[in-house]
Amino acid sequence: QQQVKQSPQSLIVQKGGISIINCAYENTAFDYFPWYQQFPGKGPALLIAIRPDVSEKKEGRFTISFNKSAKQFSLHIMDSQPGDSATYFCAASIHRGGNTPLVFGKGTRLSVIA
Amino acid sequence: GAVVSQHPSRVICKSGTSVKIECRSLDFQATTMFWYRQFPKKSLMLMATSNEGSKATYEQGVEKDKFLINHASLTLSTLTVTSAHPEDSSFYICSARTSGRVQETQYFGPGTRLLVL
Repeated sequence: QQQVKQSPQSLIVQKGGISIINCAYENTAFDYFPWYQQFPGKGPALLIAIRPDVSEKKEGRFTISFNKSAKQFSLHIMDSQPGDSATYFCAASIHRGGNTPLVFGKGTRLSVIA
Repeated sequence: GAVVSQHPSRVICKSGTSVKIECRSLDFQATTMFWYRQFPKKSLMLMATSNEGSKATYEQGVEKDKFLINHASLTLSTLTVTSAHPEDSSFYICSARTSGRVQETQYFGPGTRLLVL
């Protein structure tokens, strides 16, 4: 059973455009939702994270939108740049009262073309 | 953000040998560390969770006698791949997290590429 479903699997966006990656989760106990960026041959790097008490969080060109009732969250990359080309993973975990590891989506390979 | 290092970054070994990978949290104490395995163009697969001073908890299907994990201190965890075989070739990534803080998250190391000939 896949606890976090991520789509699309791959994405091609024009430079300056908006990249949108979506994730859906099953476990309503999840209370922490980070996004990671991974370049080839490197470890994942934390990009931005959100907790379910807010519906949106913005950091620079990166925005997370969170819909608790639909159990969905998404990453928006504004003004996408070629340097943003990487694989993006959404994840979820339970932080309150536990120490559970992150559950990852399958990843989205983003290519930003000039 | 917090820094996690891994050593070595790349290792090539002969089949049957054992390989040790170190994971260190450089600027924070990690009561919990995680080991992941990642195949090309795939997501991260959790292998085990290790807590400082106690035995690691392995995910279903991961052989604990093959993948030995030691979390001897709050800044160091090691993964030893014993009697490595070509099918063990993969990208191994550790991550570290402190506990007790609501906003804490997992920080990942740069990964170790293992190639077993």
